[in-house]
Amino acid sequence: QKEVEQNSGPLSVPEGAIASLNCTYSDRGSQSFFWYRQYSGKSPELIMFIYSNGDKEDGRFTAQLNKASQYVSLLIRDSQPSDSATYLCVAGADGLTFGKGTHLIIQP
Amino acid sequence: GAVVSQHPSWVICKSGTSVKIECRSLDFQATTMFWYRQFPKQSLMLMATSNEGSKATYEQGVEKDKFLINHASLTLSTLTVTSAHPEDSSFYICSASWGSSEQYFGPGTRLTVT
Repeated sequence: QKEVEQNSGPLSVPEGAIASLNCTYSDRGSQSFFWYRQYSGKSPELIMFIYSNGDKEDGRFTAQLNKASQYVSLLIRDSQPSDSATYLCVAGADGLTFGKGTHLIIQP
Repeated sequence: GAVVSQHPSWVICKSGTSVKIECRSLDFQATTMFWYRQFPKQSLMLMATSNEGSKATYEQGVEKDKFLINHASLTLSTLTVTSAHPEDSSFYICSASWGSSEQYFGPGTRLTVT
């Protein structure tokens, strides 16, 4: 059974701070990893993907991948209230496996 | 790029009727489309995967005769909820991909069955 584990939260972070979202995955065959953001009542929006070990930066977002530890993270710098959402960690091998999401709250 | 649309965005129907939801990839050809369902405050649940011109592959527990999926072209997939009942009320979301792993989601269709 392929699984992606995330802390459901809520994770509360003050505005301007760094939000750190983490997940682990069970399938060592996973080759691609994605972070989706989902606002309440809306569909998921792809914000980052990463395929190789290390860090990948895009604006205020940094995705980190450690395949040896089967660990993926997403850092959001200078957090804004508009970043408040549920963040889904997704691992791709033969199909995608979704985590249940972490509810992030940025406090003004 | 990678825009996926859904129609309608919301629909209310009476119990026993059928509802069709369309999913279109607007700026790319989607070799694979996915249909998800999400109940309030719950995670996405994959219902089925469809490849253009092939029969859909349904996840365990999803009734294929109730949720009819047609992927007639590389830009269009439809989900028909047949003989809908109140327990089918949910947020239905499609996504599309073109061979890479990324899936791009449509905006979703909120179905309410009265």
